[in-house]
Amino acid sequence: GQNIDQPTEMTATEGAIVQINCTYQTSGFNGLFWYQQHAGEAPTFLSYNVLDGLEEKGRFSSFLSRSKGYSYLLLKELQMKDSASYLCAVSLVWSSASKIIFGSGTRLSIRP
Amino acid sequence: DVKVTQSSRYLVKRTGEKVFLECVQDMDHENMFWYRQDPGLGLRLIYFSYDVKMKEKGDIPEGYSVSREKKERFSLILESASTNQTSMYLCASSGPLTYEQYFGPGTRLTVT
Repeated sequence: GQNIDQPTEMTATEGAIVQINCTYQTSGFNGLFWYQQHAGEAPTFLSYNVLDGLEEKGRFSSFLSRSKGYSYLLLKELQMKDSASYLCAVSLVWSSASKIIFGSGTRLSIRP
Repeated sequence: DVKVTQSSRYLVKRTGEKVFLECVQDMDHENMFWYRQDPGLGLRLIYFSYDVKMKEKGDIPEGYSVSREKKERFSLILESASTNQTSMYLCASSGPLTYEQYFGPGTRLTVT
């Protein structure tokens, strides 16, 4: 079966750094997404990793290790607006209509 | 900007009613998706479509059907609504050259 695990909740302090981990066991792995979802809103795209390594995009970075079935999202210089759920998702097939399996999400709370 | 719209933000229906959820995207995307999101379960794929009049079952298609008569519109149909279909329903679309999915604002459906 397909399985994606990520912590349910995390808390961090404004201005600090937080790392949200995601492990997956899936078949036909193509790539890994991270999405951000504020309460009551739709998910918005943050990153997509296909190859091993770290990809940096402003305050957010995403890492992938395909051999270990592991990814993390790193958020730097945390701001209050970063309080949201972060969804790890795996793309399973190599086509434009890739099937995406989502984890349950990590709810991140930022304290002043 | 890509825009995905859904017909209602909130909907209340009675058990046994036929329910239509509409989704429209304005980016000429080939692929469209319907998910439901429940606490602790994350997003689960109900159906997706990679072309007009084409559809594929996702992970939880039971109790649902879909219709895609035009490229920009993808409808989710609950033939006979039940209380266990109370959920947040999210529509998404993606194009042929990107794996990123763009989400609509969601419809919170309550079946009483």
